[in-house]
Amino acid sequence: GAGVSQSPRYKVAKRGQDVALRCDPISGHVSLFWYQQALGQGPEFLTYFQNEAQLDKSGLPSDRFFAERPEGSVSTLKIQRTQQEDSAVYLCASSVGTSGGEETQYFGPGTRLLVL
Amino acid sequence: GQQLNQSPQSMFIQEGEDVSMNCTSSSIFNTWLWYKQDPGEGPVLLIALYKAGELTSNGRLTAQFGITRKDSFLNISASIPSDVGIYFCAGHPNSGGGADGLTFGKGTHLIIQP
Repeated sequence: GAGVSQSPRYKVAKRGQDVALRCDPISGHVSLFWYQQALGQGPEFLTYFQNEAQLDKSGLPSDRFFAERPEGSVSTLKIQRTQQEDSAVYLCASSVGTSGGEETQYFGPGTRLLVL
Repeated sequence: GQQLNQSPQSMFIQEGEDVSMNCTSSSIFNTWLWYKQDPGEGPVLLIALYKAGELTSNGRLTAQFGITRKDSFLNISASIPSDVGIYFCAGHPNSGGGADGLTFGKGTHLIIQP
């Protein structure tokens, strides 16, 4: 497709359940980012991939959060043993490359996660 | 995590009025960005600023990169109903953007009264 797509768009999970959120970046984009957006807040950076390499995971809130991008295209954000505080919108963004310059990050529509 | 200080938190204006919002930081950013987010969607880039002091326009939108590199403002002239939404400022440590996470403000909710 023309833009970044994410699935599912909505996810309701019971506390303690594992969830997996998928991101399809714009075709050919080297860089991929995950952000967490709590209600009424701005997005907060979670992790960054350059192709298949996870170069920065400093924003992941705990070791229950895990992200991968095994073939350098589609990425999955996995949350194990979900807690109520994990409820948020999870946004994925991609950009063309890594050489600096005018690297716009294009965002997907997000996955709205509600943990009961 | 760190977030930029964005104000005002919300704005109630009449259609046709001009709008001004700003963003400040305690640390330096070498790129400033302004995004708009509609309900149920991801943020969409409006304006990107890459040089301290830069003033950039995009239609009715004008944004400036503060000379200290610690602030930016966004102006919208002659507001129309489709301007309703949440506006976010975002900072990036590198000049020209690049492969690092963005730091966002908490957003300004723009509401246009009929």
